[in-house]
Amino acid sequence: GENVEQHPSTLSVQEGDSAVIKCTYSDSASNYFPWYKQELGKRPQLIIDIRSNVGEKKDQRIAVTLNKTAKHFSLHITETQPEDSAVYFCAARGGVFYNQGGKLIFGQGTELSVKP
Amino acid sequence: EAQVTQNPRYLITVTGKKLTVTCSQNMNHEYMSWYRQDPGLGLRQIYYSMNVEVTDKGDVPEGYKVSRKEKRNFPLILESPSPNQTSLYFCASSLSWQAMLGYTFGSGTRLTVV
Repeated sequence: GENVEQHPSTLSVQEGDSAVIKCTYSDSASNYFPWYKQELGKRPQLIIDIRSNVGEKKDQRIAVTLNKTAKHFSLHITETQPEDSAVYFCAARGGVFYNQGGKLIFGQGTELSVKP
Repeated sequence: EAQVTQNPRYLITVTGKKLTVTCSQNMNHEYMSWYRQDPGLGLRQIYYSMNVEVTDKGDVPEGYKVSRKEKRNFPLILESPSPNQTSLYFCASSLSWQAMLGYTFGSGTRLTVV
């Protein structure tokens, strides 16, 4: 079945630096790749997503890139701030057919710490 | 306000005592799903439902049951809880299984089985 690998598991940066989190997926039919941010004790919240017909998407300080050939996608956060500290999850929509349910397969998560 | 509501937020129970975690959404979403979150393992799907009366197993269904009698509700049932089901549980919903849209998550239920 579909598998999503996420690296690194922890990432510490200084405020103002950039942070990059990388994910690889196994199912070449995957067509949708969201990123979630989970603050301590809270629910995961969608921060940005990208579809397979797009190579890059940007929203203010965050951007996501997708390389379908290599089957990997990345989250880029520029000018990091302490409030960016959280766990970030990537996901891939692993089932595009009815009997696969269109479910999201999540990576293991990256704990980002932004030091003031 | 559009939301997914889970109850309870915290639950401590004993091995073998049946329990139900409720999930309700007010967005008329067709797709609903349950995930469990464990350190180092990310979010793993337990069960999902593509519409009323349509449910199927996810990646870790053992020890769990679900039902989808109404569009808005998707309860998770643990018939005989065991300590290895101690975890953080999230209910999630999306417009439909085909839609390339993210999930909306509930606030989570932290379950401890002793």
